[in-house]
Amino acid sequence: EVVLTQSPGTLSLSPGERATLSCRASQTISSSYLGWYQQKPGQAPRLLIYGGSIRGTDIPDRFSGSGSGSGTDFTLTISRLEPEDFAIYYCQQFGSSPYTFGQGTKLEIK
Amino acid sequence: QVHLVQSGAEVKKPGASVKVSCKASGYTFTSYYMNWVRQAPGQGLEWIGLINPSGGGSAYAHKFQGRVTMTRDTSSSTIYMELSSLRSDDTAIYYCARGLIAVAPLDSWGQGTLVTVSS
Repeated sequence: EVVLTQSPGTLSLSPGERATLSCRASQTISSSYLGWYQQKPGQAPRLLIYGGSIRGTDIPDRFSGSGSGSGTDFTLTISRLEPEDFAIYYCQQFGSSPYTFGQGTKLEIK
Repeated sequence: QVHLVQSGAEVKKPGASVKVSCKASGYTFTSYYMNWVRQAPGQGLEWIGLINPSGGGSAYAHKFQGRVTMTRDTSSSTIYMELSSLRSDDTAIYYCARGLIAVAPLDSWGQGTLVTVSS
């Protein structure tokens, strides 16, 4: 089973700042099978990024993902935080069953 | 517009079974796989398995094999997930979420169904 470890567990930043979230896999995975999701309280997750760097439908361009090819380290970057970006973020690999998720990074307002 | 509408909350006793439904609309039902993901209270996301609505084939996480069954009804564009031998640690919100193929990101999610297991 591929274990995904996200860091930091909590990230405290202010609106307008840049956020960098990390996802590390226990074994090499293809960025084609790596996705990022945003979840707000009381809501279902929403797909942000997949295939390493492809934005989902209606996702603003301040969200970007790193990674091409294969590797173990992947990054989600939010260039300029908006108030609505404060939420929990999960990475997921869907190339090897079971399709595991990271434990999440909580992005909170400083 | 894609809509995945799930059935309502359930309360079950330990040892019982629960069957959650997910009705799809706004796209061709048989063109997308359906995954099930759960989230225990205050916890992260856990993938349960998926089903191909076209042929009915399914794949489950090892942890749930023997306890979970996913089925579909193409006439009503509905997916079902049944979990048996419920335990208290099965208490969670259960989500259906579609993916274009078996190895695909989950691009649309249902609203979630809370299943509570309590004696």
